[in-house]
Amino acid sequence: AQKVTQAQTEISVVEKEDVTLDCVYETRDTTYYLFWYKQPPSGELVFLIRRNSFDEQNEISGRYSWNFQKSTSSFNFTITASQVVDSAVYFCALKWSNSGYALNFGKGTSLLVTP
Amino acid sequence: GAVVSQHPSWVICKSGTSVKIECRSLDFQATTMFWYRQFPKQSLMLMATSNEGSKATYEQGVEKDKFLINHASLTLSTLTVTSAHPEDSSFYICSARLDSHNEQFFGPGTRLTVL
Repeated sequence: AQKVTQAQTEISVVEKEDVTLDCVYETRDTTYYLFWYKQPPSGELVFLIRRNSFDEQNEISGRYSWNFQKSTSSFNFTITASQVVDSAVYFCALKWSNSGYALNFGKGTSLLVTP
Repeated sequence: GAVVSQHPSWVICKSGTSVKIECRSLDFQATTMFWYRQFPKQSLMLMATSNEGSKATYEQGVEKDKFLINHASLTLSTLTVTSAHPEDSSFYICSARLDSHNEQFFGPGTRLTVL
């Protein structure tokens, strides 16, 4: 089965706190891609990162960082020093070799950052 | 570059009427486009894969006679919700695959409300 699990439905933090959003995936393919998207209240998906299965290097982009661990099938996303503008729903998604390039999304984690 | 537009951005219609949603790749050609549906506070679910010049491929449980997809050119796919009912009210998001880079880009979504 090809599956993405985001166990955290909602997270609420106070501004400047660090927060980690969990993503666990399941696939039998050896070649696959993982994604994170942000969906603000406007609804438009904002692409954050894509990682292929052969690249386990962690990535940092400003306050955002991603931890890809194939051993635990996880691709977690950390926001450092959160800001109110980070409030959104965040989706983790999986694309595998036979998915026809469509994405399989997790259920999403709603992040609320309060002042 | 790689911009995808959707029209309309929102639509309200009466039960029983048909609604057409357009998805355009503005600055690239897309032989493949995808249609997703997102109910409130839920994840994006793939409805169908739209292939230029051929019939769309529908996901299990999606009625092809109700959700008509036409991909007549390399830059335009349309989704027509026929005989819409209140349960069809949802956020419809398309994405277009950039063939040369094996990437896909999402449109801003169309919010459909059926009264």
